[in-house]
Amino acid sequence: NAGVTQTPKFRVLKTGQSMTLLCAQDMNHEYMYWYRQDPGMGLRLIHYSVGEGTTAKGEVPDGYNVSRLKKQNFLLGLESAAPSQTSVYFCASSNSDVGLGNQPQHFGDGTRLSIL
Amino acid sequence: RKEVEQDPGPFNVPEGATVAFNCTYSNSASQSFFWYRQDCRKEPKLLMSVYSSGNEDGRFTAQLNRASQYISLLIRDSKLSDSATYLCVVTLYSSASKIIFGSGTRLSIRP
Repeated sequence: NAGVTQTPKFRVLKTGQSMTLLCAQDMNHEYMYWYRQDPGMGLRLIHYSVGEGTTAKGEVPDGYNVSRLKKQNFLLGLESAAPSQTSVYFCASSNSDVGLGNQPQHFGDGTRLSIL
Repeated sequence: RKEVEQDPGPFNVPEGATVAFNCTYSNSASQSFFWYRQDCRKEPKLLMSVYSSGNEDGRFTAQLNRASQYISLLIRDSKLSDSATYLCVVTLYSSASKIIFGSGTRLSIRP
């Protein structure tokens, strides 16, 4: 049972470099999300998608881009990495809107990203 | 004021004790409520949804108080394995972008 898989698990970048984080889910979920988690703070939503081909901004979208070309994949891109983007990134998916019928989110095990 | 607030703890209790913590939310239009558990350096995992009438799952009891705008989590007969950070999650309306995570309450169970 793979669930939600994130790659890579760890990465160190230099300021200004670019990279893409991949999230894949095998549960046929419509909704997918990217969060970042910083010490002492709750998870903050970066971008999300309510279906294949759709994306939308969350609470902290600046400096990130996303794409959902296939239903099972949600990519998070950093075009020009900055030290402020050092964080743990979590991808999640849900069957439908979390606010309807108490649909829970399923999380990947995270990507630890350090920007030097 | 934060939209969702939790006491960061840590709560340090002996094995076998009962422990409870609350989570307050600021928006009365909040719709769905969850408790997630997060172990150190791991992903959050759903512990339980919180229903209006309150619900129980084994040693865990969750309650919702809409009038005072808080949810609670009670853990009875605590085990060493209950040591973790407990995240409160609140959703606003029916919007994928309005899922608010609390910063978590750290619980440590000592032998």
